[in-house]
Amino acid sequence: KQEVTQIPAALSVPEGENLVLNCSFTDSAIYNLQWFRQDPGKGLTSLLLIQSSQREQTSGRLNASLDKSSGRSTLYIAASQPGDSATYLCAVKGQAGTALIFGKGTTLSVSS
Amino acid sequence: SAVISQKPSRDICQRGTSLTIQCQVDSQVTMMFWYRQQPGQSLTLIATANQGSEATYESGFVIDKFPISRPNLTFSTLTVSNMSPEDSSIYLCSVVLAAGADTQYFGPGTRLTVL
Repeated sequence: KQEVTQIPAALSVPEGENLVLNCSFTDSAIYNLQWFRQDPGKGLTSLLLIQSSQREQTSGRLNASLDKSSGRSTLYIAASQPGDSATYLCAVKGQAGTALIFGKGTTLSVSS
Repeated sequence: SAVISQKPSRDICQRGTSLTIQCQVDSQVTMMFWYRQQPGQSLTLIATANQGSEATYESGFVIDKFPISRPNLTFSTLTVSNMSPEDSSIYLCSVVLAAGADTQYFGPGTRLTVL
């Protein structure tokens, strides 16, 4: 059974810092991996999707990498801002047509 | 992308009652899923809602407790039956737009509190 782990569970940084959020998964046979953002009391916003054949994806200040063989992904946030404060969730899809399996998330707080 | 709406957005219910949550999508989708997010926890998949047939439930979830309907390609309901305080959670609908499409989209969620 696929299990997804995110480290750290919580992170506090001052504005402007670059930071890395980690995600690991136990079964390397994934179809894709998706990073989400969840704001308190709100739904999920998709940030980046990496196909199993890809190594990384970038969107603005966000860069996600994937090392499928080692079962790891990282989300890099450059020049963090207070507006980046949220919970970041990593999720993997085992096969096309199946549902995402989620980690517990990393709660990020960026202070001004 | 897809616009997904859920009703109600939140509710407070009494123990022993049932609540039906609706999920409406603005376009036809191939896959619809229901997730639960308990307080302080991540999302757990409850079931896959299958159009025209019974839902496929994950381990630990049963049809008697969480009956699901999906009468067409844009709409699904999840009922939380005979509720207890342990059912207090956020329930989220999620969709995949088309076969071969990879991104999974989520509705805003329904925040349920059971007293």
